[in-house]
Amino acid sequence: EIVMTQSPATLSVSPGERATLSCRASQSVSSNLAWYQQKPGQAPRLLIYGASTRATGIPARFSGSGSGTEFTLTISSLQSEDFAVYYCQQYNNWPPKYTFGQGTKLEIK
Amino acid sequence: QVQLQESGPGLVKPSGTLSLTCAVSGGSISSSNWWSWIRQPPGKGLEWIGEIYHSGSTNYNPSLKSRVTISVDKSKNQFSLKLSSVTAADTAVYYCAIAVAVLGAFDIWGQGTMVTVSS
Repeated sequence: EIVMTQSPATLSVSPGERATLSCRASQSVSSNLAWYQQKPGQAPRLLIYGASTRATGIPARFSGSGSGTEFTLTISSLQSEDFAVYYCQQYNNWPPKYTFGQGTKLEIK
Repeated sequence: QVQLQESGPGLVKPSGTLSLTCAVSGGSISSSNWWSWIRQPPGKGLEWIGEIYHSGSTNYNPSLKSRVTISVDKSKNQFSLKLSSVTAADTAVYYCAIAVAVLGAFDIWGQGTMVTVSS
């Protein structure tokens, strides 16, 4: 099983500042990496797939980078609506055994 | 735009079977998508349970495979999840989801349904 490890567990950032979230895979997943945003009481929302491609309707302040085992989600200028929990997920296996990271909570500083 | 809606009992007794259905609207379950179930225990992260294609082909999470059955009902445009021998550890919000743009990246989700395992 590919284990996804996110850091930090909690990130405190002020509105308008940049946030950088990390995700590490226990083995290479190539660029088969997605990022999700989840707000309380809501389903996750796909932000990024293919490690760096924004999903439909996702603002340009969200960007993803990385390949292999190290990935980063950057939010360039935090808006109030961006404070949420963020998950990374790999989809490199076939047959699939999709796995998620444990999440990073982005909170207002 | 495809929409998904989960339904089923919110309370299941220990050792019983959890049964949920995901109704598909705005599209056909016979389209070229794999239809997945994902769960999230309270306050915890996400776990992929398994998926089904309209042909009936399935893939399951190895950690749950012995207890999971996912099936499709094309006449009702829906798919279902059965999880047997449940314990309190199976208490979670259960989501149905599909990956439309890229296989494996879930871009459409249901709103989720909470299932509690308790006597």
